[in-house]
Amino acid sequence: DTAVSQTPKYLVTQMGNDKSIKCEQNLGHDTMYWYKQDSKKFLKIMFSYNNKELIINETVPNRFSPKSPDKAHLNLHINSLELGDSAVYFCASSQSRGSQPQHFGDGTRLSIL
Amino acid sequence: QQQVKQSPQSLIVQKGGISIINCAYENTAFDYFPWYQQFPGKGPALLIAIRPDVSEKKEGRFTISFNKSAKQFSLHIMDSQPGDSATYFCAASMRGGADGLTFGKGTHLIIQP
Repeated sequence: DTAVSQTPKYLVTQMGNDKSIKCEQNLGHDTMYWYKQDSKKFLKIMFSYNNKELIINETVPNRFSPKSPDKAHLNLHINSLELGDSAVYFCASSQSRGSQPQHFGDGTRLSIL
Repeated sequence: QQQVKQSPQSLIVQKGGISIINCAYENTAFDYFPWYQQFPGKGPALLIAIRPDVSEKKEGRFTISFNKSAKQFSLHIMDSQPGDSATYFCAASMRGGADGLTFGKGTHLIIQP
């Protein structure tokens, strides 16, 4: 039974399109995150979301927007996709904010043609 | 500004040997230091974590050593096995911090049979 699941696993699309990635966690956690892993495998936080409060990493373009329909879901919407958006995107969750173990999904590999 | 520096970038160890990966941090507000293991096509998986009130934590073959004054911590893998071949990431976060984990750049570990 997967704790943090993401769909789709692979996403190939054209530049300029709008796409979404879905994330669900069944751990009962209060906080969810989105991370971006670039081609050199560097992992960087994009967003954290806790109890309707969104914290955005200042380097994330406003074309990226997380949306949480409920506590167990945090979806990532990306508008006007650019070549530089190609990466692996990971969703994660933790019991609460701050110094807590985070559990990651298996990622969505986004490729922009 | 890279707040967590990890070395080496890659490491080759013989089966049965000790693998050692080092990390240094800059922000003294960090109070939680996890290590993650990532296999190709998978998300990072929490391996072991430490808080700065202890200098060492051991779980099976994995040990974290922590030096608060030097702002350094390291992962030791004893009796390294081919199945340990993966990318390892150190990370840090702070109590009450809303901006997730700050990761090192990763170490690609290969255990030769």
